[in-house]
Amino acid sequence: NAGVTQTPKFRVLKTGQSMTLLCAQDMNHEYMYWYRQDPGMGLRLIHYSVGEGTTAKGEVPDGYNVSRLKKQNFLLGLESAAPSQTSVYFCASTRQGLGELFFGEGSRLTVL
Amino acid sequence: QQPVQSPQAVILREGEDAVINCSSSKALYSVHWYRQKHGEAPVFLMILLKGGEQKGHDKISASFNEKKQQSSLYLTASQLSYSGTYFCGTGGQNFVFGPGTRLSVLP
Repeated sequence: NAGVTQTPKFRVLKTGQSMTLLCAQDMNHEYMYWYRQDPGMGLRLIHYSVGEGTTAKGEVPDGYNVSRLKKQNFLLGLESAAPSQTSVYFCASTRQGLGELFFGEGSRLTVL
Repeated sequence: QQPVQSPQAVILREGEDAVINCSSSKALYSVHWYRQKHGEAPVFLMILLKGGEQKGHDKISASFNEKKQQSSLYLTASQLSYSGTYFCGTGGQNFVFGPGTRLSVLP
């Protein structure tokens, strides 16, 4: 039982490049989240989804897009990466009704 | 809106107690507590639901006062393994976290 899996775990991009982070969960959870965490800071909500085919903006959505075409997957896209998007990205999922959030191991992104 | 936590940081000796507070300007229906160690993902500690209190982890307990829109996390007889950053989380579907409280337990 893998839980929440994020790929890739590390990535270096140049300014202006695009990339997609994949989050996959095998717990049949309805809710999925993308957070970013900058050094010494808390977790800030980028986008979230409460079910297949639905997405919504969080606290810091600018510069990111998401898709939830399948219930088990939540994709986070950066269309034109900027140095300000250098961060560690965490995906999380939970059942409907907001029980415990299960986190992936994180994806460390560096934009040069 | 993001909840507020206090203190920002605390340093303890093993065996000492600590309290971490979380408050919100919005009505709280539930509060989550998580601990994150350096370089790792946050780990769930407990959930407190409206009208209830739940003790969920070792000597760590918490209270929830929905009228005051506050929750407090109590760490009793702290151990070295308690070191890390503690986050409270609140919200409905758009679940947000406080800025965190960095706890250091020294021998």
